[in-house]
Amino acid sequence: QQQVKQSPQSLIVQKGGISIINCAYENTAFDYFPWYQQFPGKGPALLIAIRPDVSEKKEGRFTISFNKSAKQFSLHIMDSQPGDSATYFCAAKGNNDMRFGAGTRLTVKP
Amino acid sequence: KAGVTQTPRYLIKTRGQQVTLSCSPISGHRSVSWYQQTPGQGLQFLFEYFSETQRNKGNFPGRFSGRQFSNSRSEMNVSTLELGDSALYLCASSRIGTSGNNEQFFGPGTRLTVL
Repeated sequence: QQQVKQSPQSLIVQKGGISIINCAYENTAFDYFPWYQQFPGKGPALLIAIRPDVSEKKEGRFTISFNKSAKQFSLHIMDSQPGDSATYFCAAKGNNDMRFGAGTRLTVKP
Repeated sequence: KAGVTQTPRYLIKTRGQQVTLSCSPISGHRSVSWYQQTPGQGLQFLFEYFSETQRNKGNFPGRFSGRQFSNSRSEMNVSTLELGDSALYLCASSRIGTSGNNEQFFGPGTRLTVL
């Protein structure tokens, strides 16, 4: 059953623009929310993660915004670069359970 | 430090056959999780092994099984293969496991095609 809904499925952004990917979860037992980046032919790699006791976390050009009451979180990629073109997955973890969103294919045009 | 390795990288089987996939975790990592990735269903959790014991299991039929050895290496077996089992099978290792926030490191995956 899908417990993490991710949108959009695909996203095209111009170089230098902001990429925004959204996720929503259902299970309130989730207490850890990572984002993964996956390039073709590679396994997913952890990009950034957040816990629900903070509303925002920033690492370089990547920022997670978290809204606990709405059970939503999002990834913002500032100054998007062609090298950021990849598939991004959100995930939610808690109670020994980990669920992934369906993924967003990001294309950054030069 | 070597990453997670998976063998083989590519595999072609026919319906009804069985297959065994192998995963070697990062040295010192005791937890190994397996995931199935398909375009339609995305990433789905299969099971997690920790210290040779299955700790968690996803919602997959009994045809999917696994085990972990004393050196933390893990194998996944799928019996009586079906066309729908065609997928990228990913292995991820972590120091402690899916409980807690320890980062999971993914391998490159095994691409299984069932004809």
